[in-house]
Amino acid sequence: AQKVTQAQTEISVVEKEDVTLDCVYETRDTTYYLFWYKQPPSGELVFLIRRNSFDEQNEISGRYSWNFQKSTSSFNFTITASQVVDSAVYFCALSEFRETGKLIFGQGTTLQVKP
Amino acid sequence: DTGVSQDPRHKITKRGQNVTFRCDPISEHNRLYWYRQTLGQGPEFLTYFQNEAQLEKSRLLSDRFSAERPKGSFSTLEIQRTEQGDSAMYLCASSLERPGQGRNIQYFGAGTRLSVL
Repeated sequence: AQKVTQAQTEISVVEKEDVTLDCVYETRDTTYYLFWYKQPPSGELVFLIRRNSFDEQNEISGRYSWNFQKSTSSFNFTITASQVVDSAVYFCALSEFRETGKLIFGQGTTLQVKP
Repeated sequence: DTGVSQDPRHKITKRGQNVTFRCDPISEHNRLYWYRQTLGQGPEFLTYFQNEAQLEKSRLLSDRFSAERPKGSFSTLEIQRTEQGDSAMYLCASSLERPGQGRNIQYFGAGTRLSVL
């Protein structure tokens, strides 16, 4: 069965701290895609990254970095030197290649960055 | 603005009334998805279209729900005889899927927040 687990419901940090958001997934498919989305208070889901199951290279984009480990079925997201504008709900999602393309989301992690 | 747009942004209705939401995808995107998000949860898949064909419906989509995508452009989601349990954010997303190119990115609209009184 497909499942995404984000065990951290809420995280609160002080500005400039580093923070890591955890994501663990379950799938029986050998080809799949993982995504991270950000949902600010306005409600719109903003795409952050897509990773396919054959590419285990870590990725860095500015203050954001992602660590994909197939051995532990994890796809964690780190924000370095957090800022108040990073405050939002972050969702990890899974899409199996054999499926229709629908996204299976985790429950989300609410990140609060305090000044 | 060339993103996904949804209308209305907010809808308040009384139990038993019918409501209809509209989604305009990114131009030329051939796939359109509907999701539902309740408070404190991640979005859950409802249904999707490949062009004008509705190809999958979730078990969450009861008989009171119907979706259309005439001409493969905008889509509508109608809920008949609304119930309080239908209160949620309804999100629309679109993507451009090409054979052999793997799974593409879904871009989301800002959603329609439905409150059933």
